[in-house]
Amino acid sequence: AQKVTQAQTEISVVEKEDVTLDCVYETRDTTYYLFWYKQPPSGELVFLIRRNSFDEQNEISGRYSWNFQKSTSSFNFTITASQVVDSAVYFCALSEVSTGTASKLTFGTGTRLQVTL
Amino acid sequence: NAGVTQTPKFRVLKTGQSMTLLCAQDMNHEYMYWYRQDPGMGLRLIHYSVGEGTTAKGEVPDGYNVSRLKKQNFLLGLESAAPSQTSVYFCASSRRSSTGNIPYGYTFGSGTRLTVV
Repeated sequence: AQKVTQAQTEISVVEKEDVTLDCVYETRDTTYYLFWYKQPPSGELVFLIRRNSFDEQNEISGRYSWNFQKSTSSFNFTITASQVVDSAVYFCALSEVSTGTASKLTFGTGTRLQVTL
Repeated sequence: NAGVTQTPKFRVLKTGQSMTLLCAQDMNHEYMYWYRQDPGMGLRLIHYSVGEGTTAKGEVPDGYNVSRLKKQNFLLGLESAAPSQTSVYFCASSRRSSTGNIPYGYTFGSGTRLTVV
C-alpha cells in the first residue's frame, strides 16, 4: 500500500527565513508521481507541482524549490525568503500509474506553515 | 472559467438525515473524485469515477453513495448521516492522458463543510 508521511505537523518561521517541508513516501511501484498542494486559510487546494519518479532533477520556481531523492524516498519542498502569504497547510501526495483508470492520490497529513512578521 | 463548483458550501444535518452534495466541472475532465478532510488525517478518498456512468470505491466509502449520470456532475450522497461524517468534503477532477496512464494534477472545488449533530 502507498503511504505519504509528513512528520512536521506545524512549523513557525519569521518572514524572510527559509523553510523546508519534509515528505517521505512509500510505494512498491517503480513508476509513480509526486505532488505538492497548498491550502491557504481560505480553504481551497492549489496544485503546486507534479514530478515523476524518473526525473530526479531539482525543480525551482521563483522562491519555491523541490528536492526529489529516490534513494531516500523523499520529496522535500523549500520556500526561500518566506512571506506571510506563504502561510498555509501544505500537502504532499503520491499517485500510482494505472493504465485506463483514474490516478488516485494518496495524501500526507499536511504541514501547517505559519509565517509571521 | 468556473473550474470545479461544489454546492452547498456549508450544511448542518441532524443524525439520520440524508443529503446530496453536488459537484460540477466545466473542464471536460474524465475523472472525478470525492475526498474528505479531517484534522490530522489529510485527505482521504471516498469514491471516484473514471467516466460517465461509472463509479468506484476509494479508501473510506462506507456510509456514502455516488452517482455520475452526466460527465460534468458527480454527486455524493449520505443516506443516514452520522456524527462521524462531520468533515470538509472536497470534489476534484482531472484530465485523462492520451496514453491513459499519466496522472495529472487535480482541480479541486472550494469544499463543503458538513456538520452532523
